[in-house]
Amino acid sequence: DSGVTQTPKHLITATGQRVTLRCSPRSGDLSVYWYQQSLDQGLQFLIQYYNGEERAKGNILERFSAQQFPDLHSELNLSSLELGDSALYFCASSVVVGGSTDTQYFGPGTRLTVL
Amino acid sequence: AQKITQTQPGMFVQEKEAVTLDCTYDTSDPSYGLFWYKQPSSGEMIFLIYQGSYDQQNATEGRYSLNFQKARKSANLVISASQLGDSAMYFCAMREGRFNAGNMLTFGGGTRLMVKP
Repeated sequence: DSGVTQTPKHLITATGQRVTLRCSPRSGDLSVYWYQQSLDQGLQFLIQYYNGEERAKGNILERFSAQQFPDLHSELNLSSLELGDSALYFCASSVVVGGSTDTQYFGPGTRLTVL
Repeated sequence: AQKITQTQPGMFVQEKEAVTLDCTYDTSDPSYGLFWYKQPSSGEMIFLIYQGSYDQQNATEGRYSLNFQKARKSANLVISASQLGDSAMYFCAMREGRFNAGNMLTFGGGTRLMVKP
């Protein structure tokens, strides 16, 4: 158990819908990262938050957005869903400042299926 | 250009034997970190081992060791005494910049390891 929690574990929805994925980082970790794993694109970085602020953006579509709340949990919002958005979405967390390593620990993932 | 390359899509190894999974990387940043993760069929990503670019010695964690050859830009994972539970996808990843910058990871395409009894 990495200490990172993600809900829900599975999500099945229809095209055009909107969903919210939730992540709670490990205790003490200030940084949260979102990654998407799909068969055709592999593992790709989407976005990073550090202590409530957006810190870096990767290959995140405009239909996707995220935020990190004061209690450090994070949510990834996916809207106007398309079939191609079906993927495994991971949240990871790391200490960043104050640690001797920046190892990112991953949650169990949310498997999104868009029908 | 690919930043992380894993050239072995799939590999077989006999139980109790050692196996090496290849990873080459490309960066111009003198500060970087290399990570290996294991992804079993259940889907979770499990951190295995880390090597920093300035680390003088190769990293080891139990049965896992990292064969770090900086000049060749390779960071191969060595698993000793393979077990059936080692059957999984293995991903090599790189973080560019200093470790306290908390930068994103770039992943390779992965290697599927299958351990034969």
